[in-house]
Amino acid sequence: SQTIHQWPATLVQPVGSPLSLECTVEGTSNPNLYWYRQAAGRGLQLLFYSVGIGQISSEVPQNLSASRPQDRQFILSSKKLLLSDSGFYLCAWSSGQANEKLFFGSGTQLSVL
Amino acid sequence: AQTVTQSQPEMSVQEAETVTLSCTYDTSESDYYLFWYKQPPSRQMILVIRQEAYKQQNATENRFSVNFQKAAKSFSLKISDSQLGDAAMYFCAYRSGRGSNYKLTFGKGTLLTVNP
Repeated sequence: SQTIHQWPATLVQPVGSPLSLECTVEGTSNPNLYWYRQAAGRGLQLLFYSVGIGQISSEVPQNLSASRPQDRQFILSSKKLLLSDSGFYLCAWSSGQANEKLFFGSGTQLSVL
Repeated sequence: AQTVTQSQPEMSVQEAETVTLSCTYDTSESDYYLFWYKQPPSRQMILVIRQEAYKQQNATENRFSVNFQKAAKSFSLKISDSQLGDAAMYFCAYRSGRGSNYKLTFGKGTLLTVNP
């Protein structure tokens, strides 16, 4: 069966520090991968998605970047965190079928102080 | 770009009663899919129900059903016999049937409280 792992669960970082959040998927190949951010009291905003290794699409201009070094690995990064980067980050994957649901990781709560 | 609107930031229901959560969306496409996700306090996203736009029949999953009005671009979720475990944030989401990225566009959510 397929599983998605996302870590860490909680992270507190000072302003200006770097960031690396990692997400891995097991039990499937060539998944579509997604990074969402959920700010307090708001919905989920799509940050990045990837349909293959090295293929990254950005939805909104921001201080973050994403990479997909391996088929089932998706990394969210920042060189210098801003206060506004605080939020709950969710990684998700889906198969190549439009009617299939997104499978979500357990999320990372990032607090930038 | 497609947008999803949930006009009810918060709703409450008595245990065992029925509640309906509203969702409207804006799209010029004819081929798409609609989803309702639940996010309990654990923050894990859980799929509640999905609807294919080409199907006229409303989807049903046990106590959860939808009222899909394609012409009105409306996709409401009805929860029957509400249980305490239904308390959560509910998100409506849209996915285009075109292209290959299959990304989901979410509404801002409705926080459902279930009163005992």
